[in-house]
Amino acid sequence: DTAVSQTPKYLVTQMGNDKSIKCEQNLGHDTMYWYKQDSKKFLKIMFSYNNKELIINETVPNRFSPKSPDKAHLNLHINSLELGDSAVYFCASSRTHRGSEAFFGQGTRLTVV
Amino acid sequence: GENVEQHPSTLSVQEGDSAVIKCTYSDSASNYFPWYKQELGKRPQLIIDIRSNVGEKKDQRIAVTLNKTAKHFSLHITETQPEDSAVYFCAASISSGSARQLTFGSGTQLTVLP
Repeated sequence: DTAVSQTPKYLVTQMGNDKSIKCEQNLGHDTMYWYKQDSKKFLKIMFSYNNKELIINETVPNRFSPKSPDKAHLNLHINSLELGDSAVYFCASSRTHRGSEAFFGQGTRLTVV
Repeated sequence: GENVEQHPSTLSVQEGDSAVIKCTYSDSASNYFPWYKQELGKRPQLIIDIRSNVGEKKDQRIAVTLNKTAKHFSLHITETQPEDSAVYFCAASISSGSARQLTFGSGTQLTVLP
């Protein structure tokens, strides 16, 4: 059983396009996250949702819009893609929003050309 | 802002030797300190964690120590093996409004030479 699954695994698209990445967790966790990992491997949090509500929104361009239809899903929509958006995006979940183990999805490698 | 610093960025050791990675954090209210291992092309996975009410935790060849006063914590891997080669990330739960978020260090590329 895959605990945190995200799709697609690879995404190649042209500048200016709009794309979405989907994430689902079957762990029954309350909190979900999106992280961005750049070419230097740095893992930076983008958003955090707790029970479908946005609780953390780091300094991220408003071209990035997360959506949580229910607490098991957190999707990421990106408008007007730019070259600098190329990275690996990881979805993760944790039991609570008070600091607990984060379980990561397999990552989505986004390449903007 | 609150951050987590990690050193060294790269570390090469001979198989069988020990490896030590160190991290410091700035939020004195941080109470959870996990370590993640990320193999090439894979997701980060938790290998060990420690909470602020203990100073040391060990799991076979891996141990973590925490010094709350100095706000630093370390990962120790003994009897290293080639399969230990990966990027290791420390993290600390940093306060963000009503929530706490895991803030990651910049990672350490560990290479174990056979």
